[in-house]
Amino acid sequence: QVQLQQSGAELVKPGSSVKISCKASGYTFTSYDMHWIKQQPGNGLEWIGWIYPGNGNTKYNQKFNGKATLTADKSSSTAYMQLSSLTSEDSAVYFCARSVVTVAPWFAYWGQGTLVTVSS
Amino acid sequence: DIQMTQSPSFLSASVGDRVTINCKASQNINKYLDWYQQKLGEAPKLLIYNRNSLHTGIPSRFSGSGSGTDFTLTISSLQPEDVATYFCLQHNSGWTFGGGTKLELK
Repeated sequence: QVQLQQSGAELVKPGSSVKISCKASGYTFTSYDMHWIKQQPGNGLEWIGWIYPGNGNTKYNQKFNGKATLTADKSSSTAYMQLSSLTSEDSAVYFCARSVVTVAPWFAYWGQGTLVTVSS
Repeated sequence: DIQMTQSPSFLSASVGDRVTINCKASQNINKYLDWYQQKLGEAPKLLIYNRNSLHTGIPSRFSGSGSGTDFTLTISSLQPEDVATYFCLQHNSGWTFGGGTKLELK
């Protein structure tokens, strides 16, 4: 069965970077897009961007240009998101989610979420 | 950018009630609207995609309707396990979520 297993919670300092992971199993990693979504407490959900692990193509929400960098490792079926120059506004739960952008762009499978807390 | 306005933000209803949640897009998104359910501490769960297609395993009491800019999620007979926050998501141009509707039991 399809599973997306995310890395654990992170406590990081302002100004630093963090890299969180999303390990995929139960399907062909290189055939599906992986999206990343941000959820702040009390706020809604924001789409950050997606990566197609088959060729590394990415597309970002303009708001997260320069903040988020998406990569994927085909050998380990793992997608990564690095967040840089962290501030308190980056404290949130981050989810990975799978789709097929061209034909099925909804999010049928999600990771469990990774809590990132930015604090000195 | 497309903005999604969801209403109401909060809803209290009794078991067996018919519940409707609305989502309005800032421009035409055709049929490209999904609905998700999120329970406390969990990831969102896909209920309906492309306006009215029920995702695998989702009970038939959930249904979606609408097109263009106005969409509705209906729960025909509210069950206790439906207590959650519900989000709409447009994927006509990029991806934009609605602000969410928190559904509680009266």
